[in-house]
Amino acid sequence: GENVEQHPSTLSVQEGDSAVIKCTYSDSASNYFPWYKQELGKRPQLIIDIRSNVGEKKDQRIAVTLNKTAKHFSLHITETQPEDSAVYFCAASPPTRNSGYALNFGKGTSLLVTP
Amino acid sequence: NAGVMQNPRHLVRRRGQEARLRCSPMKGHSHVYWYRQLPEEGLKFMVYLQKENIIDESGMPKERFSAEFPKEGPSILRIQQVVRGDSAAYFCASSPRRGGGINEKLFFGSGTQLSVL
Repeated sequence: GENVEQHPSTLSVQEGDSAVIKCTYSDSASNYFPWYKQELGKRPQLIIDIRSNVGEKKDQRIAVTLNKTAKHFSLHITETQPEDSAVYFCAASPPTRNSGYALNFGKGTSLLVTP
Repeated sequence: NAGVMQNPRHLVRRRGQEARLRCSPMKGHSHVYWYRQLPEEGLKFMVYLQKENIIDESGMPKERFSAEFPKEGPSILRIQQVVRGDSAAYFCASSPRRGGGINEKLFFGSGTQLSVL
């Protein structure tokens, strides 16, 4: 099955700096790659996603890049702010499995933005 | 739109008891997914259901765990004879349609934190 690896597990940056989180996946058939942000004690929230027919997508300070050949994708956060502090999860979705659908998540990156 | 609703938020059970976790999907969503999150771990897929049908339960333990999504009412994740290793956060997510389409984004509930004493 799909295996998603995420690095680093923790990341500390100063306010205003950029943060980059990287993920690799194993199933070359995976075609959907969302990123979720989870604040302490709260639900995971979708912040950006990308499909396999697109190499890059940007939404204000957040961007995601996808390299299908290398099977890795990255989250880039620019001009970080303290409220960006949270755990970020990448995920990959293989195409239908038993006619179902299941995101396979990485183990998460705990991002701390210090003022 | 109230979003995905899960209850209870916190559930404490003693070993051997049963745990019932409930999930009401977003209005208009007919697809429900259950995930388990252990401390410092990612979210692990357990089961995918549509109304009255289990579509994919490949991530669910074969024993003690069951899930349903009846025609009326919330989806239920049931854990019988709980053990300490079942302690985790259980998240439910819903989508308007089966994954693979353009608009299948998953929306998560706030989770149920199960603690087994």
